[in-house]
Amino acid sequence: GEDVEQSLFLSVREGDSSVINCTYTDSSSTYLYWYKQEPGAGLQLLTYIFSNMDMKQDQRLTVLLNKKDKHLSLRIADTQTGDSAIYFCAESEGGPDKLIFGTGTRLQVFP
Amino acid sequence: NAGVMQNPRHLVRRRGQEARLRCSPMKGHSHVYWYRQLPEEGLKFMVYLQKENIIDESGMPKERFSAEFPKEGPSILRIQQVVRGDSAAYFCASSPPVISSTDTQYFGPGTRLTVL
Repeated sequence: GEDVEQSLFLSVREGDSSVINCTYTDSSSTYLYWYKQEPGAGLQLLTYIFSNMDMKQDQRLTVLLNKKDKHLSLRIADTQTGDSAIYFCAESEGGPDKLIFGTGTRLQVFP
Repeated sequence: NAGVMQNPRHLVRRRGQEARLRCSPMKGHSHVYWYRQLPEEGLKFMVYLQKENIIDESGMPKERFSAEFPKEGPSILRIQQVVRGDSAAYFCASSPPVISSTDTQYFGPGTRLTVL
């Protein structure tokens, strides 16, 4: 079945880089997403990557995809206190398809 | 262009009552998805609807839960005879008609249901 796994917690110092990891099992996944959820709020789409790409960079965010190992990572450069949130990876087969979410990684940034 | 709107934002019900959650998709979007987030967990897909049609309800509990997206008005997620285990955040997402496989889903702020 479809399964998306993430580590539960990550704590980093302000200014350092954060790397959040995700593994998935569905080999037919076409699109992989990263969402951010702040306390009591909805989900904000940060970035997404197609399965035929290895890397995507968007300002402070870098997404790396290892399709062979079904491993996805999100790197946040120069992490700020405002980056503290829960980060979810999600996968879908594309188009109007349901998203399968990971368990979420709680990122805590300390001064 | 207003985003996905959900109301109410918070809903308190006693066991056995009914809960109605509403979702208005973004303007121009014709696809609606409902997800449930239990405390300290990720989001789980429940149902995917287009106007007047249920496309995929594979994540819906077999009893007490129903969803609709009428021709006019918001999408409604209805939970009958609520139990404490229904307490969760319910998120709605919408996406445009399929013109590109890169279209993604945009999420509303969620409705937090508490069952006493």
